[in-house]
Amino acid sequence: SQTIHQWPATLVQPVGSPLSLECTVEGTSNPNLYWYRQAAGRGLQLLFYSVGIGQISSEVPQNLSASRPQDRQFILSSKKLLLSDSGFYLCAWSMASGKETQYFGPGTRLLVL
Amino acid sequence: QKEVEQDPGPLSVPEGAIVSLNCTYSNSAFQYFMWYRQYSRKGPELLMYTYSSGNKEDGRFTAQVDKSSKYISLFIRDSQPSDSATYLCAMRLRAGSYQLTFGKGTKLSVIP
Repeated sequence: SQTIHQWPATLVQPVGSPLSLECTVEGTSNPNLYWYRQAAGRGLQLLFYSVGIGQISSEVPQNLSASRPQDRQFILSSKKLLLSDSGFYLCAWSMASGKETQYFGPGTRLLVL
Repeated sequence: QKEVEQDPGPLSVPEGAIVSLNCTYSNSAFQYFMWYRQYSRKGPELLMYTYSSGNKEDGRFTAQVDKSSKYISLFIRDSQPSDSATYLCAMRLRAGSYQLTFGKGTKLSVIP
């Protein structure tokens, strides 16, 4: 069966500091990978998705970037965090065929102070 | 008009009650419909996945899609305190489309 991991679970960072969140998927090959942000009262917002190594599509222009250095690894980064970057970050995966739905990881709670 | 509307609640019901959760949507091109359950401080967990109109049942859960009314529902029978969570509806345009459009979620509390 497939498993998706995210770390860290919780992160408190000062404004202006860099960010690196990691997501890995086990038990599948060539998955589609997604980064979402969930803010209170605002629902789930798709930030990035990737259909393969090095292929990143951005849905929302912002202070964040994503990379996919390996087939089952997805990284969310920032060079300088803003207060508005606080939120709950979720990684998700789906089958490459696109016929299935998305499955979410446990999430990383980020607080920027 | 937002693409997907979902009453945020909170909704409180006694244990054993039948729960009805609903979403309405504006884009008639949505074809795939999902319900996720999210416990506090956890990632969403897929509950139901349906295509087009009709009903789908899985244990105590029934998902219903009415495309003519642009309305989807999730029914929970014999609700349990462990069902207390936020329920998110989501929908997608077609197979191979990467974008899911989510409702903001309904917070449900089942009181013992």
